[in-house]
Amino acid sequence: DAGITQSPRHKVTETGTPVTLRCHQTENHRYMYWYRQDPGHGLRLIHYSYGVKDTDKGEVSDGYSVSRSKTEDFLLTLESATSSQTSVYFCAIRTGNSPLHFGNGTRLTVT
Amino acid sequence: QQPVQSPQAVILREGEDAVINCSSSKALYSVHWYRQKHGEAPVFLMILLKGGEQKGHDKISASFNEKKQQSSLYLTASQLSYSGTYFCGTERWDSGAGSYQLTFGKGTKLSVIP
Repeated sequence: DAGITQSPRHKVTETGTPVTLRCHQTENHRYMYWYRQDPGHGLRLIHYSYGVKDTDKGEVSDGYSVSRSKTEDFLLTLESATSSQTSVYFCAIRTGNSPLHFGNGTRLTVT
Repeated sequence: QQPVQSPQAVILREGEDAVINCSSSKALYSVHWYRQKHGEAPVFLMILLKGGEQKGHDKISASFNEKKQQSSLYLTASQLSYSGTYFCGTERWDSGAGSYQLTFGKGTKLSVIP
């Protein structure tokens, strides 16, 4: 969708390898979020950012790290991927109390 | 803490009505509603702020009971295009994080059949 792009859209990786997912926005929104979506669990917050270099943990942050060195980019890193991290990952952006606007998602498979 | 949505799934015939409920055990600042179609990203429907307001969007409306920390999404005269999974997101102030936190329920799968 216009304004927010996730890359890659699909990725297959092996257990133990590092993986980085990228979220890029052109909206200059302050807040950026990473969610994972699994059947039966809905959307669960991994990490979020409220400004450049300002990040905080969500409810399922173990095994994940994030970085935001520029307003437009929010990176999610799996330092050593595990099969339990197979999921669909959504990035979302927001300004203040506005609605979340989601990216198209990244489908990650860890074999 | 995840809000609780009910029902988990519902099947409707075109033209029928449905209600999806969302409840939280915590004091809320706002409630969001999103719809997600299979293989796509969630799409925003509406936000309700504390104050007990009710909003409408075409034939979809919602209410927010601040005292009970409950919100309901009403779909009237359902259309085939209403099919999808509906998520509520509850937002509250997290004093530990020093920011508002938005947490989603597990979703309600709505199927509208001819």
